[in-house]
Formats: sequence, C-alpha cells, structure tokens
Amino acid sequence: GAVVSQHPSWVICKSGTSVKIECRSLDFQATTMFWYRQFPKQSLMLMATSNEGSKATYEQGVEKDKFLINHASLTLSTLTVTSAHPEDSSFYICSARDRLAPYSGANVLTFGAGSRLTVL
Amino acid sequence: EDKVVQSPLSLVVHEGDTVTLNCSYEVTNFRSLLWYKQEKKAPTFLFMLTSSGIEKKSGRLSSILDKKELSSILNITATQTGDSAIYLCAVGMNTGNQFYFGTGTSLTVIP
Repeated sequence: GAVVSQHPSWVICKSGTSVKIECRSLDFQATTMFWYRQFPKQSLMLMATSNEGSKATYEQGVEKDKFLINHASLTLSTLTVTSAHPEDSSFYICSARDRLAPYSGANVLTFGAGSRLTVL
Repeated sequence: EDKVVQSPLSLVVHEGDTVTLNCSYEVTNFRSLLWYKQEKKAPTFLFMLTSSGIEKKSGRLSSILDKKELSSILNITATQTGDSAIYLCAVGMNTGNQFYFGTGTSLTVIP
C-alpha cells in the first residue's frame, strides 16, 4: 500500500531558529500533499495544501511567511517553520493522495507518522 | 465557513459498552466523509462514506452517512480497552481536494 515518510519524527530547537520537516511519498506520486498541525488531545488543523510545482494554498489564519511550504517534486513536500518560537511547538503531520489511485478507502489520504516539534 | 463538528468531545465507558460517535458538517461541495482512529501518531483509516444510508461495517465498528442531516455516526459495540483513542472524522471536498477534520472525540474504555 501507499506509504508516506515524514522526517524528522521529533526535533528540539532553540527559539529563533528554523526547522525543516520533510514529507515523502515512497511508492506513489502525490501532486497534492496536506500539512496539518495538532495540539495535545485536539484534532488535526489543516494548515495548507501543497501543490507540486506551484504555490501552496494556506488556510485562513496560517502565516505563509512563518510556515514555508515547498513542493518541488511529485514525491516531496517540505514545511519550514521559520524563526520558531515556543508557541510553534506542536505535532505536525502531513498526508498525501496517490493521484493515480481510485478515490476510495485508505487511498484517499495516506498520513506520515508526524513530527513533534519542541521549541525551547 | 466550512465546519466539521464532532460530539461528544470526550467519552469514558466501561469495557463491553456500546458507543455512538457523531460527526456533523457544514461544507460546500461535499464529496466524502472519512473516519479515522488515532492512538499515538498517524491516524489510521476506518471508513469512507460517500452515499447516504449505506452502512459500512468492520468487525465491531460500523458507520453510516446521512446527507440529509449532514451527519455521520460511528458505532462501536462491545468496546475493548484497545478502542481507546481519538476518533476523527474528515470531510473531503470536490473542489481543491482539501480534507477538513472535525474536532475529534477522545474515547477512553476502562476495564
């Protein structure tokens, strides 16, 4: 089945530094990837939709200059948290859809394992 | 503004109980509703619903969509401690391919 690899799984950084999180579809091409943020015991909040070869579409209230998204190839999207602050500490998770797979079942969205960011 | 709401927000039950989780949505260009179970990291897929009134079943779990009421329910019968998790519903759109998640229901099953 489809697999999405997300890296790193956890990262601790100092306030003011930038952190890059990668999301790769390992055995399929994903023209669209989604980035979510999750606070403890809460649901997934869609941050942005990453489209291969074009600019990401950000949800209302998400700062595009703060959360830089790049989707340079059909298998890789990156999220860079710039000038990270403690309030950016969260669980970030990406998901992707195999553009060639039928729109059914688990094919609809494949999730990465998530990245836990802690900003000191 | 598109919205997906789940209820209850949290639930504590005893093993063997039956639970019903609700998901209601107000979205434009509805395409599908998905249920996921999240224990520690990535959500795992449970069901995808696109047609109203057709029950999907997997073991002790079942789900059904009501497009007239703009809602879905997820039933879990004979709950076990392993069912403890956050249950998420997500709504997929026809336009833009986005998937918006509901508020989630945290289920705790105690022995």
